[in-house]
Amino acid sequence: TQLLEQSPQFLSIQEGENLTVYCNSSSVFSSLQWYRQEPGEGPVLLVTVVTGGEVKKLKRLTFQFGDARKDSSLHITAAQPGDTGLYLCAGLYNAGNMLTFGGGTRLMVKP
Amino acid sequence: NAGVTQTPKFQVLKTGQSMTLQCAQDMNHEYMSWYRQDPGMGLRLIHYSVGAGITDQGEVPNGYNVSRSTTEDFPLRLLSAAPSQTSVYFCASSYHPFSTDTQYFGPGTRLTVL
Repeated sequence: TQLLEQSPQFLSIQEGENLTVYCNSSSVFSSLQWYRQEPGEGPVLLVTVVTGGEVKKLKRLTFQFGDARKDSSLHITAAQPGDTGLYLCAGLYNAGNMLTFGGGTRLMVKP
Repeated sequence: NAGVTQTPKFQVLKTGQSMTLQCAQDMNHEYMSWYRQDPGMGLRLIHYSVGAGITDQGEVPNGYNVSRSTTEDFPLRLLSAAPSQTSVYFCASSYHPFSTDTQYFGPGTRLTVL
């Protein structure tokens, strides 16, 4: 079983602070996705990255795919209470394989 | 478009009881899947289907059955519930399996087995 490790597991910060969460594997991904899940709801896709070194921005969220395609990070600038939720990364190791999810980072942004 | 719908939202079972979790999508997606979510373990794939009449096992299939008689519906059956099946269950769908396609998730069913 291929593993995706996310860190930190929990993060509690004040509104306006910056933060980074990480997603790591010992294996190479063909692509990686980030999802956000709010309490009582299903995950919602934020972004898909497919090229090593790729950087994608979604308003205050910046997603980076590692050059070797074994890791990814999500950086949030000036966090808002609305960013509160569970952030999940999901990797596709090879086309034709199942998507593998990490354990998630639970973020709380306090006003 | 309702997207992916799941029923019930909550369910409590006694050990040994059976039940079916319903999932439906109105996006004409070929690929549907069932996941369970447990604290700190992310989402684990139970069963999936790449089209009507075709199903296969995921990472944690034991204790669960599925069928896909129509494109729209993909029910998950627990034949004899066990406390280890206490979890939140999510159904998802996408156009293509095992790809970078967006997976659309339902709102989940929270199941407790006593």
